[in-house]
Parts: sequence; C-alpha cells; structure tokens
Amino acid sequence: QSALTQPASVSGSPGLSITISCTGTSSDVGGYNYVSWYQHFPGKAPQLMIYDVSNRPSGVSNRFSGSKSGNTASLTISGLQAEDEADYYCSSYTSSSTLWVFGGGTKLTVL
Amino acid sequence: QITLKESGPTLVKPTQTLTLTCTFSGFSLSTSGVGVGWIRQPPGKALEWLALIYWDDDKRYSPSLKSRLTTTKDTSKNQVVLTMTNVDPVDTATYYCAHRIHPRTYFDHWGQGTLVTVSS
Repeated sequence: QSALTQPASVSGSPGLSITISCTGTSSDVGGYNYVSWYQHFPGKAPQLMIYDVSNRPSGVSNRFSGSKSGNTASLTISGLQAEDEADYYCSSYTSSSTLWVFGGGTKLTVL
Repeated sequence: QITLKESGPTLVKPTQTLTLTCTFSGFSLSTSGVGVGWIRQPPGKALEWLALIYWDDDKRYSPSLKSRLTTTKDTSKNQVVLTMTNVDPVDTATYYCAHRIHPRTYFDHWGQGTLVTVSS
C-alpha cells in the first residue's frame, strides 16, 4: 500500500487558520473513519492530535480539528500560534495486512 | 504517564542484523489489549509501519518486510525488541516504537525515535 499524500509545506499568519490535506484511496482514507494526525517536533516524540478523523484526545487544544471527504482527510488549525510550527503527519488504519499507512508529512510554518 | 524510548546502534553495516530495543513505562504489556508497534521514517520520506506485538504475543508485520523482521517482548523488563536481518542502506531511518490499545486505530504514545544509518 502506498503512502498517503500530504503537501510538503503550508504556512499561515498568527491568528489565522490553515488546513493540511491527506489524500489516500478507497482502501484506506476513503474506506474507513480511521484517520489520525500527529504533531512532531524534530527530535521529540510524535504527539497524537486527532484520531478517527475528527476526535481530539484529552489535552489537545480545540483549535485542532479534523474532517474527511471521500479519499481526502484534512487537519485544520485555527487561531494559529507560533507554538504550532511543527511537522504534521496523517495516518490511516486499514483492514489490509499493511495495518497502517502514513503520509509523508507537512511542515507548518507560522509566519 | 506513558513513555517509550528506543535504543540501539546508530551505525550498522550492510547485510548485518539490526536489533532495536523499546523500553517503556506507564503500562504493562501483559495487560489485555495493549500493543507496541514499530514505525520508521527514512530521511525525507514517509513514515512506514513495520511491526506490532500484542499483550497475548500475537504479532503482525508489514508484508513488504515480513521475511526480515522479528519482534519479541520481555514483559518483566518492560521491553520490546525489533530485529531486522540483512540490512541495506535503504533501511537507514529513524525508528520509533509506539503504544497502542486494541481495537483503537491509532498509536497514542510514541518514543522520540532513534536514527539508524546503514553504511559500510
């Protein structure tokens, strides 16, 4: 199974919103509501931000939200803050023997 | 508080066997539903799921790497080991271990990763 497709980079100004897309196929993103998103600061442990398309774990800011349409999932960060500058990865659990597929990551720059 | 930490060699020669250890705290791998997975990221490339071991010693492997991977657990030491045989420079990557609770569809805690370079 191929990796999920994410834009290499996105940027936005403080206080505004950005959306990161994650495109897969009907065998992963489109077939199940099992998309998760991770925030990653280089050298640190990735942190779960969204699971099952749109659910936030306890402690994650409600500025982070997730959605899905067809084979594309999206992560939206509203009210951008400098601390949001990080790499973001999407993932989809699948029913195939390749249990998880991941995206290539998107670098968010807060201008 | 759940923490995981990967350890192992930073440099491995081609054709050698790579052994990585994930040492964790805050949970027990003898608890029903608990699993520890391995994921890697080659430089500039996407994350790739490698393997998963469950509390009941059930194991799952990426089909593309299944013949080269073995994962085991030592519940008494709170450790999971991943072994990869016959490494190649394309196996150069940061390797992560992560915690999962079945049947949740995600990894909720990750280690910070360890960079392994395969080079002669």
